[in-house]
Amino acid sequence: KNQVEQSPQSLIILEGKNCTLQCNYTVSPFSNLRWYKQDTGRGPVSLTIMTFSENTKSNGRYTATLDADTKQSSLHITASQLSDSASYICVVSSSTGGYNKLIFGAGTRLAVHP
Amino acid sequence: NAGVTQTPKFRVLKTGQSMTLLCAQDMNHEYMYWYRQDPGMGLRLIHYSVGEGTTAKGEVPDGYNVSRLKKQNFLLGLESAAPSQTSVYFCASSYRPAGPTLSSGNTIYFGEGSWLTVV
Repeated sequence: KNQVEQSPQSLIILEGKNCTLQCNYTVSPFSNLRWYKQDTGRGPVSLTIMTFSENTKSNGRYTATLDADTKQSSLHITASQLSDSASYICVVSSSTGGYNKLIFGAGTRLAVHP
Repeated sequence: NAGVTQTPKFRVLKTGQSMTLLCAQDMNHEYMYWYRQDPGMGLRLIHYSVGEGTTAKGEVPDGYNVSRLKKQNFLLGLESAAPSQTSVYFCASSYRPAGPTLSSGNTIYFGEGSWLTVV
């Protein structure tokens, strides 16, 4: 069964600290992996997209890594800011039958405190 | 530059009532999607459309109908609302299918969400 599991479920850190969010997936066949940021009460916004051949992708203070062999991805946030408080969603795309299905993780809720 | 716009943002329905959620995008995208988001779960695809006049079922289509009469609009209908349909609904669009090719057109843009409560 295609699944995307994220950990931790929730995380609290102090402003200025770094943190890493994890994503493990059992999706086949694999097309690409995306990270989204979802602010409370808003829609998800794309942070990064990585294909099978990419190991890392950065977007400002956000750096995503992908290990396709172990089927793991991480999202590292550097020098956190209060505005980083949000849910971070890992999404894996699987290409089957001509349609690219997206499998969403449940998200990690990050709270950055001053 | 509105992107993806959903209306209404909030709605309370009684069991058995019907309603329509409207999604509009101004990016000339071919592909549009309706998802629902429930606590502790990832977004799940209800229906999608690969172009004007086309619709297809996603993974949780029961109890919903959709129409794509115009390229920029994708409507989600609930014919007879049930408490199990209490959820947050997100519309999304992309220029090309959310597939393996890397390009700016591969990005999926989401609306702000519509909070629906069925009592």
